[in-house]
Amino acid sequence: GENVEQHPSTLSVQEGDSAVIKCTYSDSASNYFPWYKQELGKRPQLIIDIRSNVGEKKDQRIAVTLNKTAKHFSLHITETQPEDSAVYFCAADDLVGNTPLVFGKGTRLSVIA
Amino acid sequence: NAGVMQNPRHLVRRRGQEARLRCSPMKGHSHVYWYRQLPEEGLKFMVYLQKENIIDESGMPKERFSAEFPKEGPSILRIQQVVRGDSAAYFCASSPRQNYGYTFGSGTRLTVV
Repeated sequence: GENVEQHPSTLSVQEGDSAVIKCTYSDSASNYFPWYKQELGKRPQLIIDIRSNVGEKKDQRIAVTLNKTAKHFSLHITETQPEDSAVYFCAADDLVGNTPLVFGKGTRLSVIA
Repeated sequence: NAGVMQNPRHLVRRRGQEARLRCSPMKGHSHVYWYRQLPEEGLKFMVYLQKENIIDESGMPKERFSAEFPKEGPSILRIQQVVRGDSAAYFCASSPRQNYGYTFGSGTRLTVV
């Protein structure tokens, strides 16, 4: 089955700097890669996703890149703000049969004002 | 659209009691997923259901845990004879189809005393 590794587990940046979170996956059949943001005590929320026919996708200050050959994808947040502080999860969809999203273990991002 | 509704938000049970967690998916969503989250940890898959069918229960312990998604009404995650180790946040998510982003509910925080 699919296995998703996420790094780093914690990340601190100064406000205004960029943050990068990286994930690798094991199943070359995976073709859907969403990112979720979870604020303390709240539900995970989808912030951006990418599919295997696209190498990069941007939405304002966030972007995701995908390298299918290397089986890794990354989340980039530019001009970080204190409200970006949260736990971020990457996930991959293995389309073998009817399998669910497999999540990475999360990255706790702290943006220091 | 009210989103994914989970109840109760908080549930306290004594060891040996039963816990019933309910999840109503978003309107138009026929895929329901249950995940468990321990403090400072990621989202661990438990079970994936479509109406009246369990598609994948590979993440759910064989004993004491069961799930259903009846034709009418919410999906239910049932934990019998709860133990302290069952204390966690249980999140339900729904999607309209496979290979699509999930919408999560607010979770049920189960505390076993």
